[in-house]
Amino acid sequence: KNEVEQSPQNLTAQEGEFITINCSYSVGISALHWLQQHPGGGIVSLFMLSSGKKKHGRLIATINIQEKHSSLHITASHPRDSAVYICAVRSTTSGTYKYIFGTGTRLKVLA
Amino acid sequence: NAGVTQTPKFQVLKTGQSMTLQCAQDMNHNSMYWYRQDPGMGLRLIYYSASEGTTDKGEVPNGYNVSRLNKREFSLRLESAAPSQTSVYFCASSSPGAVMGGTEAFFGQGTRLTVV
Repeated sequence: KNEVEQSPQNLTAQEGEFITINCSYSVGISALHWLQQHPGGGIVSLFMLSSGKKKHGRLIATINIQEKHSSLHITASHPRDSAVYICAVRSTTSGTYKYIFGTGTRLKVLA
Repeated sequence: NAGVTQTPKFQVLKTGQSMTLQCAQDMNHNSMYWYRQDPGMGLRLIYYSASEGTTDKGEVPNGYNVSRLNKREFSLRLESAAPSQTSVYFCASSSPGAVMGGTEAFFGQGTRLTVV
């Protein structure tokens, strides 16, 4: 079993829909990141969380440390949101500079 | 533009050939990383460098070597390429304390390598 699990693996939505992507992890962490990988391959860091909730534009990320779970929400989705969203945790058991990555959620937003 | 610059973007090698992937960052980050991304798997760490002059093995180091040339540059070398090294390679950088730059891009654009 992977130490970082994302669901769903694939998601197709209509423009304007509210989208939720989930990340569960089984290790102790000091931080969790949400990354966006564009169709061209580039990876951008969206959020870093250690507790609570963060919002940036139409994106909202939450984390529940007790439940070892994080969610990424996209409000009023748009075709330009189509990308792979990757959850990554900085594990407190894997060394100072190492991260564990989920396999990603491929999102496609249709116009 | 500030960020991580990675070259080349695409490369095809024959089995046994060697090559070096170059990575440079201009964000004054201490830590730099090389990852590979394979279908159905999360990014896996090959090597990392916590600071200039230091390098350490990651999860999948076999078949690779690295050089932290200076604070800006971190290269990945394949001495004798094998088909199992066909993958997409990403260089990344971060500041100490593992804050991945907030909303800033800190990964390179990736190198799609095919070994035939």
